[in-house]
Amino acid sequence: GEDVEQSLFLSVREGDSSVINCTYTDSSSTYLYWYKQEPGAGLQLLTYIFSNMDMKQDQRLTVLLNKKDKHLSLRIADTQTGDSAIYFCAERGFRDSNYQLIWGAGTKLIIKP
Amino acid sequence: DVKVTQSSRYLVKRTGEKVFLECVQDMDHENMFWYRQDPGLGLRLIYFSYDVKMKEKGDIPEGYSVSREKKERFSLILESASTNQTSMYLCASSSGQSDEQYFGPGTRLTVT
Repeated sequence: GEDVEQSLFLSVREGDSSVINCTYTDSSSTYLYWYKQEPGAGLQLLTYIFSNMDMKQDQRLTVLLNKKDKHLSLRIADTQTGDSAIYFCAERGFRDSNYQLIWGAGTKLIIKP
Repeated sequence: DVKVTQSSRYLVKRTGEKVFLECVQDMDHENMFWYRQDPGLGLRLIYFSYDVKMKEKGDIPEGYSVSREKKERFSLILESASTNQTSMYLCASSSGQSDEQYFGPGTRLTVT
């Protein structure tokens, strides 16, 4: 079945770039998503990429997609303390006769001063 | 702005109690979801609904039931709460044409 994997923690220094990685298994996925969950809050959509794209850039965020390796990454440039959050990768997969979002476990981004 | 609200932020219940978690969205979304979030396990789908009075089991429906009597409201019911149901419960909604899910703030349930 489909599976989305992420490492559980990433620690970076303020001002450095953060790169959060994700691997997925469903090669038919059309959309891949990054959600952000700030402490004590629900998840919010951060960005997404369509499967026919290699890269998407939005201000400090860069999403890279390697379809051959089924690898997705989120790069945050100039990481700030406000970027401290859990980042979830999700793919749009087909499961039990329905399209659903298949979620990774989330990567907690820790910012060191 | 899409708003998804959940009835409680924090809830403490005893083992064996019946627990209702309510979720309301104000954007006329067709789809609604209940997840639980546990450290290291991410989001696990409990139940979802694509229409009023319609429900589908997710990955971990055991010990839970749901009700969707109105489009804007999706309730999660724990018939007899157990300690292993202590968790953060997240409700989400989305329109029929989009995968983008909008989340409520979550209910942290503790079963003692």
